[in-house]
Amino acid sequence: EAQVTQNPRYLITVTGKKLTVTCSQNMNHEYMSWYRQDPGLGLRQIYYSMNVEVTDKGDVPEGYKVSRKEKRNFPLILESPSPNQTSLYFCASSLLNRISYEQYFGPGTRLTVT
Amino acid sequence: QQPVQSPQAVILREGEDAVINCSSSKALYSVHWYRQKHGEAPVFLMILLKGGEQKGHEKISASFNEKKQQSSLYLTASQLSYSGTYFCGTEGDGQNFVFGPGTRLSVLP
Repeated sequence: EAQVTQNPRYLITVTGKKLTVTCSQNMNHEYMSWYRQDPGLGLRQIYYSMNVEVTDKGDVPEGYKVSRKEKRNFPLILESPSPNQTSLYFCASSLLNRISYEQYFGPGTRLTVT
Repeated sequence: QQPVQSPQAVILREGEDAVINCSSSKALYSVHWYRQKHGEAPVFLMILLKGGEQKGHEKISASFNEKKQQSSLYLTASQLSYSGTYFCGTEGDGQNFVFGPGTRLSVLP
């Protein structure tokens, strides 16, 4: 089954404790992206990647890191989480094809930083 | 820059029609539409490319006016299953893909 998986689905942590949210896709997609979703603000892009070893900042990259060492994986790293990073996070992937730029989303990770 | 969506929220009765608008201050070459049900991930509905193309998906269709940098999503004879939040996403000159803030649609029996 074609899918994007994220782990963990729920995470409660404390300020300053490093964490990683994993994202994996099995569709051989070149493009992968991380979004955070906050009420009234929609989905804001954190980082995206066009291919292995190619990453770039989105609209809200501060406080986040990513890596793309393999095509299928795109982990999101919070080295020193703060309460303002409490949010719902989605990973997404798609082909790099302007005609069918459908993004497939993972199930989401709800992060709470206390 | 984030596109503007209107209305922010709309409540319908089953069978009624709705229009959701998306506009940008930037020149666009594509508009994407997604629907997100409560507690779920967003799901792709359709993409409209530069050229004023109109697309359809059962009773949900959309148009794209590139000169006005606007797109509209049309929901005809709405069903209970149409409830959710609708997001447009835009790509334009010198601008990476960006989602709008969303329009919450509630369809009542």
